[in-house]
Amino acid sequence: DGGITQSPKYLFRKEGQNVTLSCEQNLNHDAMYWYRQDPGQGLRLIYYSQIVNDFQKGDIAEGYSVSREKKESFPLTVTSAQKNPTAFYLCASSEVADTQYFGPGTRLTVL
Amino acid sequence: GESVGLHLPTLSVQEGDNSIINCAYSNSASDYFIWYKQESGKGPQFIIDIRSNMDKRQGQRVTVLLNKTVKHLSLQIAATQPGDSAVYFCAEQNTGNQFYFGTGTSLTVIP
Repeated sequence: DGGITQSPKYLFRKEGQNVTLSCEQNLNHDAMYWYRQDPGQGLRLIYYSQIVNDFQKGDIAEGYSVSREKKESFPLTVTSAQKNPTAFYLCASSEVADTQYFGPGTRLTVL
Repeated sequence: GESVGLHLPTLSVQEGDNSIINCAYSNSASDYFIWYKQESGKGPQFIIDIRSNMDKRQGQRVTVLLNKTVKHLSLQIAATQPGDSAVYFCAEQNTGNQFYFGTGTSLTVIP
């Protein structure tokens, strides 16, 4: 099956902890993206990568970090510097400048 | 900055009726638009797209209309079914290849 997978589906974080959200795609897409979704708001871009070993900050990158060591993988780390991390996180991939396809999402909750 | 908005946050329709969901965008340079469907707790699912050199595009039971003069995008769903109940987002892509998403319209189909 081709597609985008995210894990875990649910994640709980204690105060002061860093957590990493996984995103994998086997669509051979060059570009990958991380978005945050909060109730009543549109998707907000955290980070994106258009090629391996390169990534750019989106609109709300503070408190987050990413890596792009492999074409198929784009993990997102939510650091303790992110003061309000409870949200639904969505990963997407695309050919550059083309349609974005989304994964199933990870719901992160701070305990 | 970019602005993508929806005229109505909620829409209720009778099963079998047609649904129309609207979206306004602010950047006249945007040249690619997508409609997504998102069910509760899941990632957005691509429905249909349109480029700025077109004003209408049809899919299975869905039609997207683009009015560049007033910067307006609409999604028409024919013979709406209970499975169509979801939140619908529009997204616009500007010349910088970033997508901007609306807050969404919640569609409820009444049996």
